[in-house]
Amino acid sequence: EPEVTQTPSHQVTQMGQEVILRCVPISNHLYFYWYRQILGQKVEFLVSFYNNEISEKSEIFDDQFSVERPDGSNFTLKIRSTKLEDSAMYFCASSAAGYEQYFGPGTRLTVT
Amino acid sequence: GESVGLHLPTLSVQEGDNSIINCAYSNSASDYFIWYKQESGKGPQFIIDIRSNMDKRQGQRVTVLLNKTVKHLSLQIAATQPGDSAVYFCAENIANSKLTFGKGITLSVRP
Repeated sequence: EPEVTQTPSHQVTQMGQEVILRCVPISNHLYFYWYRQILGQKVEFLVSFYNNEISEKSEIFDDQFSVERPDGSNFTLKIRSTKLEDSAMYFCASSAAGYEQYFGPGTRLTVT
Repeated sequence: GESVGLHLPTLSVQEGDNSIINCAYSNSASDYFIWYKQESGKGPQFIIDIRSNMDKRQGQRVTVLLNKTVKHLSLQIAATQPGDSAVYFCAENIANSKLTFGKGITLSVRP
């Protein structure tokens, strides 16, 4: 069964450093998303991406965040200058038609 | 603001019993709802979905009920098993956009 994959599973970085979180969505899907989940809290939407552009973003997704689909398979989330409060699980999701979204296993980002 | 929320933070059930997990949503424009299961250290796993033009949908051992009049969504799990122990989230979607998640409820299955 096809699934969304994410790398790395755990990323530790120092405050102020740049990180890139990587995702490989399900191959025939057209809609891509990033969500995050701070420990013990609910999953929060960050950004959606369709047709090579951002279709929607939340207020969390400020100018320190960016997304890219550099090739036909990868979908990345970059945080330019990490802050302590960026520590969270980051989930990538993909969807064929924009409704049923399938999530990856997540990347745990720890900012020290 | 509008939000999706869950009534109870934890639910403990006996193995073999049926479980019912409830969710209230407040955005009447939502047209699609999903239940996700999240096990410790893993991503949300799709369980079942329902569109706003339906009031009931059944899967394998799971049923989702939608009551648009009172903006209520529920997940019923038949013959609950230890492997069903997890955090369950309801999520809503409007017109093909982002998912808005509820707070999550922990289901604990007693052997």
